[in-house]
Amino acid sequence: DGGITQSPKYLFRKEGQNVTLSCEQNLNHDAMYWYRQDPGQGLRLIYYSQIVNDFQKGDIAEGYSVSREKKESFPLTVTSAQKNPTAFYLCASSTGRYNEQFFGPGTRLTVL
Amino acid sequence: AQKITQTQPGMFVQEKEAVTLDCTYDTSDQSYGLFWYKQPSSGEMIFLIYQGSYDEQNATEGRYSLNFQKARKSANLVISASQLGDSAMYFCAMRVTMDSNYQLIWGAGTKLIIKP
Repeated sequence: DGGITQSPKYLFRKEGQNVTLSCEQNLNHDAMYWYRQDPGQGLRLIYYSQIVNDFQKGDIAEGYSVSREKKESFPLTVTSAQKNPTAFYLCASSTGRYNEQFFGPGTRLTVL
Repeated sequence: AQKITQTQPGMFVQEKEAVTLDCTYDTSDQSYGLFWYKQPSSGEMIFLIYQGSYDEQNATEGRYSLNFQKARKSANLVISASQLGDSAMYFCAMRVTMDSNYQLIWGAGTKLIIKP
């Protein structure tokens, strides 16, 4: 089945550690996105990538990094520079017709 | 400024009644799109319906319809014959062009609870 997978579903991190969230899609979509969602709020864009080996900062990129070495994969690293990383992280990819975005199940990150 | 506003933080609706979720938007783009997504408690965002700025007819998808009033800059979601499974967060989003790339601007969401 085509879709977007994110792993892990839950992630616990100690302060000062970097962690990497996985996002894989087999929809053959060119564009991929990372969002952060805090409780009771909408989505905020962290990074996005329109093609392989290229990505752009979103509204809240500080403390995060990404790579796009393959079309299918867009991992997000939450670095120790991110002061308040506890949140729900959603990965999405999009296709051309409406540019509607399809989402993975999300990763809930908690800093202990 | 490009912005989406959802003024209803939460709504309670009796099962089988119709419900309207409000969304207003602000953009200077001539070409844009409006989306509605559903987020159940599991967290995954589910695409419901889309309306393009040049579409003359309101979009419909099953029990979902979009009441698009361009002059008022509103794109309200109407759910007919609500069901218990409709209980979720609902987000309105607007596709805009930034630096030659498409991006979505998101509203803060409305929490819908369907009462049996």
